[in-house]
Amino acid sequence: EAGVTQFPSHSVIEKGQTVTLRCDPISGHDNLYWYRRVMGKEIKFLLHFVKESKQDESGMPNNRFLAERTGGTYSTLKVQPAELEDSGVYFCASSQDDRENTEAFFGQGTRLTVV
Amino acid sequence: AQSVAQPEDQVNVAEGNPLTVKCTYSVSGNPYLFWYVQYPNRGLQFLLKYITGDNLVKGSYGFEAEFNKSQTSFHLKKPSALVSDSALYFCAVRGSYNFNKFYFGSGTKLNVKP
Repeated sequence: EAGVTQFPSHSVIEKGQTVTLRCDPISGHDNLYWYRRVMGKEIKFLLHFVKESKQDESGMPNNRFLAERTGGTYSTLKVQPAELEDSGVYFCASSQDDRENTEAFFGQGTRLTVV
Repeated sequence: AQSVAQPEDQVNVAEGNPLTVKCTYSVSGNPYLFWYVQYPNRGLQFLLKYITGDNLVKGSYGFEAEFNKSQTSFHLKKPSALVSDSALYFCAVRGSYNFNKFYFGSGTKLNVKP
């Protein structure tokens, strides 16, 4: 069974440009999460999808970030326009349910560098 | 509010020696605790979790963790470290309220030297 897949693995863009990150969750997982790790700090929650609906987007930094999950399968996270402080590693995760005792399966992350 | 602290940025240990990676937490309600590991150029990989019951939890690759409610800690341990255990380790918590998200620590880099 394939795990969570993220694309690209690395992205270097200039300030002001747009970048779109993609996440393919494990097949059949209704719950999809985006997290971010900035500058060696803790990994922070961005948002949570249940199927195609945004369940919780309380961690999204600002309106330059837009996440979608059309059809309830893969998800995209677009940053437009990118700023220097957006640099970091963006992780996607998925799980079958969102109960408190359930682990999530994470992708390898996308390392975003804004210069 | 939920939070996790990993007080050590880095832990160095010789191969064959026991290792401990520390984690303390703060959570509303009952804690659900997790350890993840990130090997170089790989994703976060689930190691083990504490839900309820026995305070000593066993996980993958010979790792175990001890839940201590009074000290609000969940330290990761292994009796005999391997060079291949060198990686970045993250502790995470979910509370019984607002439990859809993980709260992670800042990570601890484990270096196991031959």
